[in-house]
Amino acid sequence: GAGVSQTPSNKVTEKGKYVELRCDPISGHTALYWYRQSLGQGPEFLIYFQGTGAADDSGLPNDRFFAVRPEGSVSTLKIQRTERGDSAVYLCASSLTGTKETQYFGPGTRLLVL
Amino acid sequence: DQQVKQNSPSLSVQEGRISILNCDYTNSMFDYFLWYKKYPAEGPTFLISISSIKDKNEDGRFTVFLNKSAKHLSLHIVPSQPGDSAVYFCAATSMDSSYKLIFGSGTRLLVRP
Repeated sequence: GAGVSQTPSNKVTEKGKYVELRCDPISGHTALYWYRQSLGQGPEFLIYFQGTGAADDSGLPNDRFFAVRPEGSVSTLKIQRTERGDSAVYLCASSLTGTKETQYFGPGTRLLVL
Repeated sequence: DQQVKQNSPSLSVQEGRISILNCDYTNSMFDYFLWYKKYPAEGPTFLISISSIKDKNEDGRFTVFLNKSAKHLSLHIVPSQPGDSAVYFCAATSMDSSYKLIFGSGTRLLVRP
């Protein structure tokens, strides 16, 4: 079946602009995660959704970052007033229920803020 | 403070030989450990996992060993193949947030033909 998909695959924007990154999880997966991977580092947790609600958003770096999952499927990560330090690969993952199970990752969106 | 550490940024081995990738952790609340493999321009792919109640888990050419007293785990790949060339990430979850993967910084493995 289809895996996790993310769009766009690449996004170039200017400092101060607003961006939206989209994630389509595997069908039937109730748990969805966003991670951010900077160059030379491993992925860092941002937020975890269980269904439509954000169960843990403790990894969001500041209030410029926000994520939604209104119907419990597709999720959008929103970044306001982008800064150069936001440049990274944003990875989305999903899993069946959310507890001690394999997380399936999408290919990521590479964000570059000029 | 890095809770999961992969101190070797890269490793090069000959095809057919054993690859050993190492990972150390500091958080004694970690109770589940995973290895992910990543090719360029792709997302990480799950490889193998181990619960803290075990000290070894094997899946084909891949074996993960866990030494809880040393807070150390390792991934053994035998025999190594050129297609194994990728970045390998060690990750862990804790008892109080079992959904949150904490990753190491990765080790780039090159298997030479």
